[in-house]
Amino acid sequence: EPEVTQTPSHQVTQMGQEVILRCVPISNHLYFYWYRQILGQKVEFLVSFYNNEISEKSEIFDDQFSVERPDGSNFTLKIRSTKLEDSAMYFCASRQEETQYFGPGTRLLVL
Amino acid sequence: KNQVEQSPQSLIILEGKNCTLQCNYTVSPFSNLRWYKQDTGRGPVSLTIMTFSENTKSNGRYTATLDADTKQSSLHITASQLSDSASYICVVSAPPGNTGKLIFGQGTTLQVKP
Repeated sequence: EPEVTQTPSHQVTQMGQEVILRCVPISNHLYFYWYRQILGQKVEFLVSFYNNEISEKSEIFDDQFSVERPDGSNFTLKIRSTKLEDSAMYFCASRQEETQYFGPGTRLLVL
Repeated sequence: KNQVEQSPQSLIILEGKNCTLQCNYTVSPFSNLRWYKQDTGRGPVSLTIMTFSENTKSNGRYTATLDADTKQSSLHITASQLSDSASYICVVSAPPGNTGKLIFGQGTTLQVKP
């Protein structure tokens, strides 16, 4: 069964460094999302992406964040200058009809 | 403000027993309500999805109900198994539109003991 994949599974970085989180959505899906989950807290919406542009973003998704679909398969989330509070689990999802399918997540730790 | 609240926060039951998890939401209007299961350190997996016109939906041992008038939903798990131990999250799809943004509850952590 097709699934959303994410790399890396874990990432440790120094505060101020740039990180790129990668996702490969399910191939025939057209809508893509990033969510994050800070340890012990609820999953929060970051951004949705459709037709090669952002369709909606949350207050969390400030100028430090960007998304890109550089080719026909990858969907990336870039954090330009990481902060301690960016430490979280980041989930990518892709959507077919009404169901969003989530990847296994990337655990980001900012030191 | 669009909110999704769940209760209880955590629950411990014995294997084989049934349980019911509750969800209240203030998202209005909404497109649909979903229940997801999330194992520790993993991504959420969809269990059920209901539009405002549906009031019950089953998926194996999972049965979800929805009362759009009172803005309440429940997830009933029958004959629990050890593998049911996970976080169960009530999720509401934000005001209708193509973005499909999801609003998550904080989840109920279920532990099934032998």
